[in-house]
Amino acid sequence: QVQLVQSGAEVKKPGASVKVSCKASGYTFTGYYIHWVRQAPGQGLEWMGWINPYSGDTYYAQNFQGRVTMTRDTSISTAYMELSRLKSDDTAVYYCAISSGSYSYFDYWGQGTLVTVSS
Amino acid sequence: DIQMTQSPSTLSASVGDRVTITCRASQSISSWLAWYQQKPGKAPKLLIYKASSLESGVPSRFSGSGSGTEFTLTINSLQPDDFATYFCQQYNSYPRTFGQGTKVEIK
Repeated sequence: QVQLVQSGAEVKKPGASVKVSCKASGYTFTGYYIHWVRQAPGQGLEWMGWINPYSGDTYYAQNFQGRVTMTRDTSISTAYMELSRLKSDDTAVYYCAISSGSYSYFDYWGQGTLVTVSS
Repeated sequence: DIQMTQSPSTLSASVGDRVTITCRASQSISSWLAWYQQKPGKAPKLLIYKASSLESGVPSRFSGSGSGTEFTLTINSLQPDDFATYFCQQYNSYPRTFGQGTKVEIK
């Protein structure tokens, strides 16, 4: 069965960077786009961007351009999302999710990673 | 950006009830709408895609309808396992946007 297992919770100081991983199994890693979505406490969901694991191409939401970097390591079927210059309002649960194409819905989601930004 | 507005934000219902959740898009998204269910501390789960297509394995008491800017998710005969938060998402254009969610609570 498809599984997306994310790395554990992180606590970071303002100005620091965080890198969250998403390890995929149960499907062909290069056959699905990986998206990142976040949910701040008590807030809605915010889409951050995607990476095509086959080509390495990325597409970022305007709100995060210049601060987010999405990468992948096909040898271990793992995608990464790094967010830099963290602020307190980056405190959120970060999810990875997969879609069969760049214009498709999210078939499966990871369990989420809580990132807390606090001085 | 396309704004997605869900209503109500909270819904109190009893087991066996029929419940309807509405999602409105700020501009036409054709039928490029998905519905997800999320339980506390868990990953969201896909229920409906392309506005009315039921994801494999999802109980048939869930149904979706609509096109353009108005969409609904209906749960017929609410079951104990259905108490959760539901949210819609458009995938017509970027950035992908979501409704704020509807929490279905036990009455």
